[in-house]
Amino acid sequence: EAGVTQFPSHSVIEKGQTVTLRCDPISGHDNLYWYRRVMGKEIKFLLHFVKESKQDESGMPNNRFLAERTGGTYSTLKVQPAELEDSGVYFCASSQVAGGDTQYFGPGTRLTVL
Amino acid sequence: AQSVTQPDIHITVSEGASLELRCNYSYGATPYLFWYVQSPGQGLQLLLKYFSGDTLVQGIKGFEAEFKRSQSSFNLRKPSVHWSDAAEYFCALSGNTPLVFGKGTRLSVIA
Repeated sequence: EAGVTQFPSHSVIEKGQTVTLRCDPISGHDNLYWYRRVMGKEIKFLLHFVKESKQDESGMPNNRFLAERTGGTYSTLKVQPAELEDSGVYFCASSQVAGGDTQYFGPGTRLTVL
Repeated sequence: AQSVTQPDIHITVSEGASLELRCNYSYGATPYLFWYVQSPGQGLQLLLKYFSGDTLVQGIKGFEAEFKRSQSSFNLRKPSVHWSDAAEYFCALSGNTPLVFGKGTRLSVIA
């Protein structure tokens, strides 16, 4: 069974540009999460999808971030326009059920904004 | 408020020595607790988890962790460290919310 995959693995963009990150969860996992780790800080929750619906987006930093999960399969996270403080590693995770079920993580996308 | 504290930012141990990584949590009830490991260039891999029942949890790669409610701790242990264990280790908790992580402990292993 394939694990969680993320694309790209690295992205380097200039301030003001747009970047779109993609996450493919484990097949059959209705729950999809995005997390971010800024250098030197802890991994922090961004948002949670249940199928195609946003269950919790309390961790999204501002309206420059837009997450979608059309059809309840893969998800995209768009940053527009990117700022320097958006640099970090963006992780995606998925689980079968919510509320404490094991979340399986992807390898992450390292985003560098210059 | 939920929180996880990993007091050690960086630990260095000799290969073959024992290891204990500390994790303390704050949560109003009994949480679900996890340890993840991130090796260089890799994603987060689940080592073990505690949901309920036996407070000593066995995980992969020879790791174990003990849940101590009275101390609000969930420390990770390994009796004999291998060079391949060099990585960053994250303790995390979940109630009815997404995961809350500690800041991580980086483990270096020396010969």
